Amino acid sequence: NAGVTQTPKFQVLKTGQSMTLQCAQDMNHEYMSWYRQDPGMGLRLIHYSVGAGITDQGEVPNGYNVSRSTTEDFPLRLLSAAPSQTSVYFCATNSRGTYEQYFGPGTRLTVT
Amino acid sequence: GNSVTQMEGPVTLSEEAFLTINCTYTATGYPSLFWYVQYPGEGLQLLLKATKADDKGSNKGFEATYRKETTSFHLEKGSVQVSDSAVYFCALSTGTASKLTFGTGTRLQVTL
Repeated sequence: NAGVTQTPKFQVLKTGQSMTLQCAQDMNHEYMSWYRQDPGMGLRLIHYSVGAGITDQGEVPNGYNVSRSTTEDFPLRLLSAAPSQTSVYFCATNSRGTYEQYFGPGTRLTVT
Repeated sequence: GNSVTQMEGPVTLSEEAFLTINCTYTATGYPSLFWYVQYPGEGLQLLLKATKADDKGSNKGFEATYRKETTSFHLEKGSVQVSDSAVYFCALSTGTASKLTFGTGTRLQVTL
C-alpha cells in the first residue's frame, strides 16, 4: 500500500497562476484534510472532508478550493496564486472514529 | 477557540540526556491531546495520544500525561538518541478527528 501520496513534491508558480495539488490515499479512510505549514506557525487546517461529496472550511480557507468526488482523491486548487501562499502543504487522512491522522510527504510551493 | 502553546526551540541535548518539551492548551469542551513527530523531509507521524484526563500516552520511550488541572501535556523521554532529532508538534482535537489544532512545533537536536 502506498498510503497517502502527494504530487508534485516541489512547485514554483508566478503570481496569478493557477494549479492543483494532488492527494490520493489507498487506505479507504473517510476523512481527508489539507494543512499548510509555515515557519513559526505550525500546521493550519485549510479544508477538510468527511466523505465523498462533503467538504468544509478549516482555519485558513481563503484562496483555496477543494472537491471530493471519490473516497481516494482530495485535490487542492489555487485559482490565482499569491506570494502569501508560499508554504509546505500536507494532506492527511484518518478513519472515522479514530484520531490518528496519516500524513503525506508534502508539497513545497513557492509563489514569486 | 482552541489553541496550543509549545516551548520555543531549538532544543539541543547530548545523547542519553533527559528531554522535556512543554505543551499547554486552551480548549472548548474536553479535548483529546496528541504529540506528532516530523523527521527531516517527511510528513508528520503520530507519536502518542491521550483522550481523557490523567491518561498517559507512551510510545518509543516517549511519555506524556494529560493534566486537566494545569491544561498541560508535556512530552518526556528519559534518554534521547541521535535518531530522535526531529520537530515535535503538540496538537488537540475537540470534535471531528479531522480538525486538529497544532502548536508551532519544537525542533530537537541530539548530538553525540
